[in-house]
Amino acid sequence: AQRVTQPEKLLSVFKGAPVELKCNYSYSGSPELFWYVQYSRQRLQLLLRHISRESIKGFTADLNKGETSFHLKKPFAQEEDSAMYYCALSGLTDNAGNMLTFGGGTRLMVKP
Amino acid sequence: GAGVSQSPRYKVAKRGQDVALRCDPISGHVSLFWYQQALGQGPEFLTYFQNEAQLDKSGLPSDRFFAERPEGSVSTLKIQRTQQEDSAVYLCASSPRTGRNIQETQYFGPGTRLLVL
Repeated sequence: AQRVTQPEKLLSVFKGAPVELKCNYSYSGSPELFWYVQYSRQRLQLLLRHISRESIKGFTADLNKGETSFHLKKPFAQEEDSAMYYCALSGLTDNAGNMLTFGGGTRLMVKP
Repeated sequence: GAGVSQSPRYKVAKRGQDVALRCDPISGHVSLFWYQQALGQGPEFLTYFQNEAQLDKSGLPSDRFFAERPEGSVSTLKIQRTQQEDSAVYLCASSPRTGRNIQETQYFGPGTRLLVL
């Protein structure tokens, strides 16, 4: 079974401070990991995926298979980063339609 | 272009009432997913369609839940004899291809918020 854990329901930081949103997963095969973000009154949207190895809006995330983690980081938080963040996992199989398993989400609040 | 749309956006139902939730995926998207998101939790998978075929319904919580996508585009999630525990946001997502051996990006709709009284 696949599982995603986000230990923090709420993370509050000041503008300009570093941010780390934690995500741990369990999966027996080769997973693909994602971070989705939901801004206020907007729909859920993809922020980044580990396979792309890119930085989006200053955020990065590194897949650590040894620690089964995929923490999301940003060196300097901005007020517009305030949102709900979900870590998600998909198992890469030969079955069509790889559904996502989501963590419970972390609400990030960036204070001025 | 137009994204995934869902209707209604809000639905209040009396316990025992049947409801139908509609999803219009992005045009041409092969894959369609339904998720249920209870208050304060992350979305949970319900069912998956590839075109008109329902290939995975392992997440449907009971036989009161039924989904269809008869022509391979619009999908309807039906809940019969609604219960209070069915209150949640129901999310629809679509992706361009089948995702075989690679995870395609899923594009989410705004969700339907269902409240069962």
